[in-house]
Order: sequence, then structure tokens, then C-alpha cells
Amino acid sequence: QVQLVQSGAEVKKPGASVKVSCKASGYTFTSYYMHWVRQAPGQGLEWMGIINPSGGSTSYAQKFQGRVTMTRDTSTSTVYMELSSLRSEDTAVYYCARGVVPAAPLGAFDIWGQGTMVTVSS
Amino acid sequence: SYVLTQPPSVSVAPGQTARITCGGNNIGSKSVHWYQQKPGQAPVLVVYDDSDRPSGIPERFSGSNSGNTATLTISRVEAGDEADYYCQVWDSSSDHQVFGGGTKLTVL
Repeated sequence: QVQLVQSGAEVKKPGASVKVSCKASGYTFTSYYMHWVRQAPGQGLEWMGIINPSGGSTSYAQKFQGRVTMTRDTSTSTVYMELSSLRSEDTAVYYCARGVVPAAPLGAFDIWGQGTMVTVSS
Repeated sequence: SYVLTQPPSVSVAPGQTARITCGGNNIGSKSVHWYQQKPGQAPVLVVYDDSDRPSGIPERFSGSNSGNTATLTISRVEAGDEADYYCQVWDSSSDHQVFGGGTKLTVL
């Protein structure tokens, strides 16, 4: 079945970087864009950016420009999201989510990963 | 940037109809998607493209979109519908996805 499986929880110190993985299975990896969304404790959903697994092109929300890098490995059907210069406000659950429209960045997200908790604390 | 506005909370008795709104400038010209999120779980898509339902989503969930307001309607509300609900659109002016702030649905 179609699923996204994310890496495990992380604890990082302020100023460090974190890299979260999201492994896709059950569909053609390069056919659908992948989005990253985060949710701080008790807060709403926040879109971080998108990667096209086919060519590797990316687009990031302005808030994260310069701090986030999204990459992919087509040999393992895995996308990665790396966030640098971490601060306490980055403590959140990070989700990957598949775009429902083939080969396009718009549209809904039909499949979500289980989420990865990232805690930033000294 | 494009802003989506949702009421923080909506309450409804079991068996009644819940309506959750999502306001945005000329949102009727965009495709709106809705997600349900229960505590400790990832969001689940319940309505996409204004009014379509993914397979497995009950017909009790429906959507509409016109003017400056999109609405998620849940008919014959059940206790299991208690959750946070988020609207989402693609903002073509910025090529970014946008979420509303979320609405907590309480079943009385």
C-alpha cells in the first residue's frame, strides 16, 4: 500500500541542524511532489516547502529560506528535510506529505508520514 | 501572502450539523482542501477540490466554496468527529501552500 515512513524522534541543541527522512513506497516515487509541514506543540499546521522528486527542484516558504534544504534520493525513494540553526521555536512535529496531483506542486496532500518529533533544547 | 481565517472552535450536539468556515480573499476562485486531525495523529484529507471526498470518507462530510468563504459541513455529527479541522489552498501568486489556523470541533 502507499505509505510514507519517517525517521525517528530527534533531540538537538540550539544552533545545531537536524535531518529528517521520509521513505516512500507503494507508488512511483518520481511522479508526485513531496511537501514538508510542521506543527509546533498545540499549534496549527505550517507549510515549509516542496520538492519535486523527479528533478530535485525545490521551493521553500519564505520563513525558512536560508535555513531549510530539501533533497531526495531516487535510488531509495527517500526525501530529506534538513533544518539548520535550530532554535527552541523549531520544536515541532515534522511531517512529509504527498501531493495528490501528479507532477504538480498544487493540490491536496493525500498521504502523510507518521510525523517526526524534533525537540530543540539546551 | 494569502491568509486563511478559521474560527478557533465550533461546538455541536451529536446528530446535528457542524459547519466550519474558512475565509480568504476571493477564495471561491481557488480549490480548497480540508483535513481532519485527531490528537497524536497525522492529518487526514476529508475533502479536496472544494467538495470531493477521498475514498473511505463518509458522505456526511461535504464542502462548498463561494465568494470569500469555503465551508466544511459535517452532517449527523458523531462523537468520533471530534477533532481539529484545517483548510488549505494553493496560493498561485507565491507558489506556496497555505493552511488556515485550524478549528477545534467539540461534540457536546
